[in-house]
Amino acid sequence: DQQVKQNSPSLSVQEGRISILNCDYTNSMFDYFLWYKKYPAEGPTFLISISSIKDKNEDGRFTVFLNKSAKHLSLHIVPSQPGDSAVYFCAASGGNQGGKLIFGQGTELSVKP
Amino acid sequence: ETGVTQSPTHLIKTRGQQVTLRCSSQSGHNTVSWYQQALGQGPQFIFQYYREEENGRGNFPPRFSGLQFPNYSSELNVNALELDDSALYLCASSLESSGRSEQFFGPGTRLTVL
Repeated sequence: DQQVKQNSPSLSVQEGRISILNCDYTNSMFDYFLWYKKYPAEGPTFLISISSIKDKNEDGRFTVFLNKSAKHLSLHIVPSQPGDSAVYFCAASGGNQGGKLIFGQGTELSVKP
Repeated sequence: ETGVTQSPTHLIKTRGQQVTLRCSSQSGHNTVSWYQQALGQGPQFIFQYYREEENGRGNFPPRFSGLQFPNYSSELNVNALELDDSALYLCASSLESSGRSEQFFGPGTRLTVL
């Protein structure tokens, strides 16, 4: 049972444009959501998070939006840069999950110059 | 501030053997979590240790076991290795155990079981 889903395995965007990565979840008890970026041969790097009491959190070029009624979150990267090319994972925690993070399958972002 | 480190980087074992993976937490972090990442998948939670006690376990068999030491470093032990255990093993440390804070990941150990 996949509680966190990223339905797009890959996304290609032109440099300078907006990248939008999507994530859906099924467990309404989740109350904290995170985005991680992963380069090959490295561990995931934390990007940005959002609590379920908010619907938006912004940090520089990165903004996360949370729609609790739709059980959907998205990560916006504006403007996209070639260095943003990586695999992006969304993760969720809270409710009866204790301290564990439940990850989606990842979306590979390619930003072309 | 030293980040999360893991050793070894790569490891090759044969089916039935045992393996120990090590993790050094980020300074000041008392919680460590271990994840298994298969190719093309997101990390899957194995278990978490908080102040040397197991504090939650994912859907992994008992042959996956762990330890956390007083300095908050940690080990993951896997007995009776199976081919499907081939994966990237990640540890992550955090300031607290609720899951509502950043978990900082190490670079991982790539385990290959032949």
